[in-house]
Amino acid sequence: EVQLVESGGGLVQPGGSLRLSCATSGFIFRDYSFNWVRQTPGRGLECISYIGTDGTTIYYADSVKGRFTISRDNVQNSIYLQMHSVTAEDTGLYYCARARPFDQWGQGTLVTVSS
Amino acid sequence: ETVMAQSPATLSVSPGERATLSCRASQSLDGNVAWYQRKPGQGPRLLIYGASMRATGIPARFSGSGSGTEFTLTISTLQSEDSAVYFCHQYNYGLGTFGQGTKVEVK
Repeated sequence: EVQLVESGGGLVQPGGSLRLSCATSGFIFRDYSFNWVRQTPGRGLECISYIGTDGTTIYYADSVKGRFTISRDNVQNSIYLQMHSVTAEDTGLYYCARARPFDQWGQGTLVTVSS
Repeated sequence: ETVMAQSPATLSVSPGERATLSCRASQSLDGNVAWYQRKPGQGPRLLIYGASMRATGIPARFSGSGSGTEFTLTISTLQSEDSAVYFCHQYNYGLGTFGQGTKVEVK
């Protein structure tokens, strides 16, 4: 069974950092690209980052460029999102999603930015 | 950015009836449109890709159509388990963009 399980969300102060993880199983991880997609009150559903199978083809939405970093570990079968300099606008539910279009999703991890 | 204008925002339909959801793109897409279903506490599920191709395991009552800038998701005979929020998604340009969602309520 294909599974994507996000973790690492929580309460973080404005300007702080957080690292999200997405553990996967049930398929050949290295064969797929991945994305981080978030749902925020201000922007709805938004794909904020993509990482290709090679780990070097990477894209970011303008809303997170320079603050967030996506990475993957083909041994741990996981992807990550390192978040820095967060603001209230980053509050939302963060999903990892496989491929393009997004054929498998996790259940999401909630990030709340508040002092 | 390609804007996906999805309508209606909410739809209330009786069981067994047809539900029609629409999405209009701000520029022409090469059929690279997907539809997702999301239920409370769950991640979205891919229903349709390539505008009209059903994803693996999706019941035949779900169908997609359209081209250019106009796309439609039809649920032919609504069942109680179809209560959910549905999103359209263009993956033709950049990282892609989503519609705002249609909440489908089964009466």
